[in-house]
Amino acid sequence: NAGVTQTPKFQVLKTGQSMTLQCAQDMNHNSMYWYRQDPGMGLRLIYYSASEGTTDKGEVPNGYNVSRLNKREFSLRLESAAPSQTSVYFCASRAAGSYNEQFFGPGTRLTVL
Amino acid sequence: KQEVTQIPAALSVPEGENLVLNCSFTDSAIYNLQWFRQDPGKGLTSLLLIQSSQREQTSGRLNASLDKSSGRSTLYIAASQPGDSATYLCAVRDSNYQLIWGAGTKLIIKP
Repeated sequence: NAGVTQTPKFQVLKTGQSMTLQCAQDMNHNSMYWYRQDPGMGLRLIYYSASEGTTDKGEVPNGYNVSRLNKREFSLRLESAAPSQTSVYFCASRAAGSYNEQFFGPGTRLTVL
Repeated sequence: KQEVTQIPAALSVPEGENLVLNCSFTDSAIYNLQWFRQDPGKGLTSLLLIQSSQREQTSGRLNASLDKSSGRSTLYIAASQPGDSATYLCAVRDSNYQLIWGAGTKLIIKP
């Protein structure tokens, strides 16, 4: 049981390049989330997927797209990276039910030059 | 709009001391509150989850309390150890089922 896994762990991009961050969970959770964490700030929600086949915007969705490929996988795509997207990105998952806790992946540290 | 604040931003104490970390939130309409630990360069580890109907939760040397009416939660760490050094984050699940996060308290335990 690996929990929530993310790839890659580190990535450096040039402005304008694109990339996809991958996330997978093996806990059969319905909901999955993408957050970004910037220095001195709390995590901010980018997008989430309450269930397979649905996605919704969070607090800071601009510049990102997501795909809920199946129940296990939820990817985050940067179509044209900008320096402002330099951050640490965390994926999380949660079982159905509003009282259940979220479980987090190890994060992807992204630098955009 | 729900806002979560953690004070202080950083705290350094000698090993063995008991300490309290604070978390406050502006809207009492929450489902639960969760405390996390984050080690440098690592992901987040859930420490304690307190449902809105609960007043406290305990796990080992950790005790978290929740006072919804005053919008406050505390994380009490007993007999601190150098291995407790990390950043501690609190997050509330708001009425929209989303987690709203504080910026964290960076804790250093000096041997």
